[in-house]
Amino acid sequence: ELKVEQNPLFLSMQEEKNYTIYCNYSTTSDRLYWYRQDPGKSLESLFVLLSNGAVKQEGRLMASLDTKARLSTLHITAAVHDLSATYFCAVDHMEYGNKLVFGAGTILRVKS
Amino acid sequence: NAGVMQNPRHLVRRRGQEARLRCSPVKGHSHVYWYRQLPEEGLKFMVYLQKENIIDESGMPKERFSAEFPKEGPSILRIQQVVRGDSAAYFCASSLNPGQPQHFGDGTRLSIL
Repeated sequence: ELKVEQNPLFLSMQEEKNYTIYCNYSTTSDRLYWYRQDPGKSLESLFVLLSNGAVKQEGRLMASLDTKARLSTLHITAAVHDLSATYFCAVDHMEYGNKLVFGAGTILRVKS
Repeated sequence: NAGVMQNPRHLVRRRGQEARLRCSPVKGHSHVYWYRQLPEEGLKFMVYLQKENIIDESGMPKERFSAEFPKEGPSILRIQQVVRGDSAAYFCASSLNPGQPQHFGDGTRLSIL
């Protein structure tokens, strides 16, 4: 069974500091996704990581993938208030019909 | 170039009533996925459909829940005799092919009184 664990589940951040969210998954996957969700809203796709060593960056967010360790990280550089949201990682695999298996989510709050 | 359209955005039902949630995928997409998000939790897979066929319903409760994706028209997730525990946000996603990234709709927030 494909399982995904995120930690921490809650992160209180200070502005301008750096933080990392971790995402572990239990078996090999085809793709790893990072999504952002604002309260009451849908999911916004941030990154899709396909291969070992993949690194993608957008603004203050950078995601990386280590398929051997079955680990992805989402690194936040110099946090700003706009980044407050819930962040989910998810994986899929053809063997599981390409359905997405989500982590529980990490709630980020940036304190002014 | 519309994305995934879900309606209604909010739905209120009393216990015992039926709830019907609709999802129109991205134009040209024939693969539809339904997910449920309970408060303060991640999304959980419910069912995967391809036009007129249910491919995987392993995440859908055996009773009261059903899904369809007819040849014409939107995909429908139907919940009969709703109970308080059905209160959740229900998201639909579509993809062009099974291996392609899924595009999510805005969700339907179902509240049971």
